[in-house]
Amino acid sequence: DTAVSQTPKYLVTQMGNDKSIKCEQNLGHDTMYWYKQDSKKFLKIMFSYNNKELIINETVPNRFSPKSPDKAHLNLHINSLELGDSAVYFCASSQVGGAASNYGYTFGSGTRLTVV
Amino acid sequence: KQEVTQIPAALSVPEGENLVLNCSFTDSAIYNLQWFRQDPGKGLTSLLLIQSSQREQTSGRLNASLDKSSGRSTLYIAASQPGDSATYLCAVRINTNAGKSTFGDGTTLTVKP
Repeated sequence: DTAVSQTPKYLVTQMGNDKSIKCEQNLGHDTMYWYKQDSKKFLKIMFSYNNKELIINETVPNRFSPKSPDKAHLNLHINSLELGDSAVYFCASSQVGGAASNYGYTFGSGTRLTVV
Repeated sequence: KQEVTQIPAALSVPEGENLVLNCSFTDSAIYNLQWFRQDPGKGLTSLLLIQSSQREQTSGRLNASLDKSSGRSTLYIAASQPGDSATYLCAVRINTNAGKSTFGDGTTLTVKP
């Protein structure tokens, strides 16, 4: 199936731990994103990578570090997790450049992170 | 800075009604506007995508319009059904290669049988 898939779907961990969330898209898109949705359902962009290059880095703590090994993958590593990091993290992709750049976002199903 | 507002925040209607959801944005220099649906505990499902050069898009019972000059988009849902109950989000993509979008806070729709 063509899609944006992210793992794990649920993640429960203790404060101070380090964790990673993985994202893969097989849509051939050139741009991938991480969005955070907090308890009030507000959706805010965190990072964006275009062809493996970081192009958007919103005001996010340095404990969050994205990595894009290739344009089909964008992972998110979080160090020293805090209670306030609890949220749903969504990966998304879109085609920004070229003749097919009229495409909108395709979202993954989300990773619900709970820090206890 | 682009700001996106969705009104109302919540809406409850009886089954069968036609309804309109609103999305307003402050900067008209947009690349596209996309409407999503989010079910509780689920991801975002794309409903309709309107390019800046378009006025409207239709899919089944859904019709989305775009008026860039007034900074408004509407999502029209005809003959609403209980299965339409969800949160509806609009996302406005700004006119740069970064492809960054700003999301509204959503309208939570409840359609009562």
